[in-house]
Amino acid sequence: EVQLVATGGGLIQPGGSLSLSCAASGFTVSNNYMSWVRQAPGKGLEWVSTIYSVGDTFYADSAKGRFTVSRDNSKNTLYLHMNSLRGEDTALYFCATRISMITFWGQGTLVTVSS
Amino acid sequence: NFLLTQPHSVSESPGKTVTFSCTRTGGSIASNYVQWYQQRPGSFPTTVIYEDDQRPSGVPDRFSGSIDSSSNSASLTISGLRTEDEADYYCQSYDTSNWVFGGGTKLTVL
Repeated sequence: EVQLVATGGGLIQPGGSLSLSCAASGFTVSNNYMSWVRQAPGKGLEWVSTIYSVGDTFYADSAKGRFTVSRDNSKNTLYLHMNSLRGEDTALYFCATRISMITFWGQGTLVTVSS
Repeated sequence: NFLLTQPHSVSESPGKTVTFSCTRTGGSIASNYVQWYQQRPGSFPTTVIYEDDQRPSGVPDRFSGSIDSSSNSASLTISGLRTEDEADYYCQSYDTSNWVFGGGTKLTVL
């Protein structure tokens, strides 16, 4: 069974940094297409970043230059390193994977950027 | 770049059929596959339709998807509505490697 568990969220001041983790089970992170999607309070879904199995990475304009997606194959875990955080980055961050063209989601981790 | 536009909300009675639209502005709806996600209150999204009209195992056949090139839109239809279908529904497609989401439609079953 595919499972994704995102952790690492919390309250952070504007300009700060935070790293999110997404522990995967039931499949191999390094062999699959993995993404981060966020949802601001009361708002819709917004794509943040994707890493392909070959290692290519892609970012939404809002994340470029500030966020970095990576993975640790030994831990079967996906990461999102976030710098220069802004109030508009406040959201529930979900990780997702695509297996046989079906997207599987995990529960999110809440990031709140506020002074 | 393109946009996906969804109606903000839809209401329907139990047992009825409802259809959600997802209209693409910029390019053809047939250019990239469309997915539909269901997000119940307080939960994470789940896939109910992928690749325009495919249903993952475990999703009831009351859910169906289609695309219409004449209106440049995708549709999600739910028949035999149940109260547990009450949720937000999002369409999503790809713009090269980027994901594009519609704004979501809130379904109320009353």
